[in-house]
Amino acid sequence: GEDVEQSLFLSVREGDSSVINCTYTDSSSTYLYWYKQEPGAGLQLLTYIFSNMDMKQDQRLTVLLNKKDKHLSLRIADTQTGDSAIYFCAETPIGGYNKLIFGAGTRLAVHP
Amino acid sequence: NAGVTQTPKFRILKIGQSMTLQCTQDMNHNYMYWYRQDPGMGLKLIYYSVGAGITDKGEVPNGYNVSRSTTEDFPLRLELAAPSQTSVYFCASSYRDRANQPQHFGDGTRLSIL
Repeated sequence: GEDVEQSLFLSVREGDSSVINCTYTDSSSTYLYWYKQEPGAGLQLLTYIFSNMDMKQDQRLTVLLNKKDKHLSLRIADTQTGDSAIYFCAETPIGGYNKLIFGAGTRLAVHP
Repeated sequence: NAGVTQTPKFRILKIGQSMTLQCTQDMNHNYMYWYRQDPGMGLKLIYYSVGAGITDKGEVPNGYNVSRSTTEDFPLRLELAAPSQTSVYFCASSYRDRANQPQHFGDGTRLSIL
């Protein structure tokens, strides 16, 4: 079945890079997403990558996809305190109505 | 733009009570979704709708009902509240059936059943 796994917690120093990792099981996934959830708020789409791409860069965010290993990562350069949040990896299996399969989320804590 | 609006933001129910969680969107999106988020877990799809008058079950539909009489509104009904339904509920919408059309989320309804 479909499953998405993430480590639950990451702590980084302000100004350092953060790398959040995700593994998924469905090899037919078409798109993979990173969502950010700030306290008391809904999920905000950060970026996404199509399954035939290896890398996507968007300002401070870099997404790397290793399709062979079914591994997705999100790198945040120059991490700021405002980046403290929960980051969810999600996949869309092929077909269906844009159904998203979410990981449990990685809580990123940024300290001075 | 308001986006996706959910009401109420918080609610406490007694076991066996019923209630409706409201969700409305003003983006003219065809697709709407209800998720629940349990502590330390990812979101699970409860129900979804691809247009007015059409709904279908997601991964965890038991104990819930939905309706979609208009494009804008997608209410979620709990008929007999149970402690296992204590969760944060998120409504989302998207424009069409394309994987690159992102889902827009509301801020959630935090529901406790005691």
